[in-house]
Amino acid sequence: NAGVTQTPKFQVLKTGQSMTLQCAQDMNHEYMSWYRQDPGMGLRLIHYSVGAGITDQGEVPNGYNVSRSTTEDFPLRLLSAAPSQTSVYFCASSPRDRGPNQPQHFGDGTRLSIL
Amino acid sequence: QQPVQSPQAVILREGEDAVINCSSSKALYSVHWYRQKHGEAPVFLMILLKGGEQKGHEKISASFNEKKQQSSLYLTASQLSYSGTYFCGTESGGTSYGKLTFGQGTILTVHP
Repeated sequence: NAGVTQTPKFQVLKTGQSMTLQCAQDMNHEYMSWYRQDPGMGLRLIHYSVGAGITDQGEVPNGYNVSRSTTEDFPLRLLSAAPSQTSVYFCASSPRDRGPNQPQHFGDGTRLSIL
Repeated sequence: QQPVQSPQAVILREGEDAVINCSSSKALYSVHWYRQKHGEAPVFLMILLKGGEQKGHEKISASFNEKKQQSSLYLTASQLSYSGTYFCGTESGGTSYGKLTFGQGTILTVHP
């Protein structure tokens, strides 16, 4: 049981490049979220999804796109990378079938640097 | 809107106690607490539901005051392993189930 898997673990991009951060979970969780973590700012929600085909914006969605075509995968796309997007990105999932108030399971994170 | 945590940082000696507070301006359905070690992912500690529930996990417990929209995390007889950054995450319920908004974190350092 792998849990939540994020790839890549590290990435360096140049300004203006695009890329996709991958997130996959094998626990059949309905809820999935993307967060970015910057020093002193805690974890800020970028986008989240309550199930396949349904996504919604979080606190800091600008510059990021998501889609949820399957229950397992929730990729995060940077269309045109900017230095302000240098951060650590975490993906998390939680189940819905056992009711609300379920703990979130986090991936190990992707450390992204934009030059 | 992010919940506000206080204090921002705490330094303790082994065996001492600490309290970390989390306040929200929004009506809350639940409060989650997580601990993160440097370079690692956040790890779940506990969830509190509205209703003033208090829960415990070894020597770590928490309370939730629904009327004040505040939660407190209590760490008693601290151990070196308690060092890390503590985050509260708030859930407003309704159409926002599963959607957590995290505070900015409290850095806890425990010295021998």
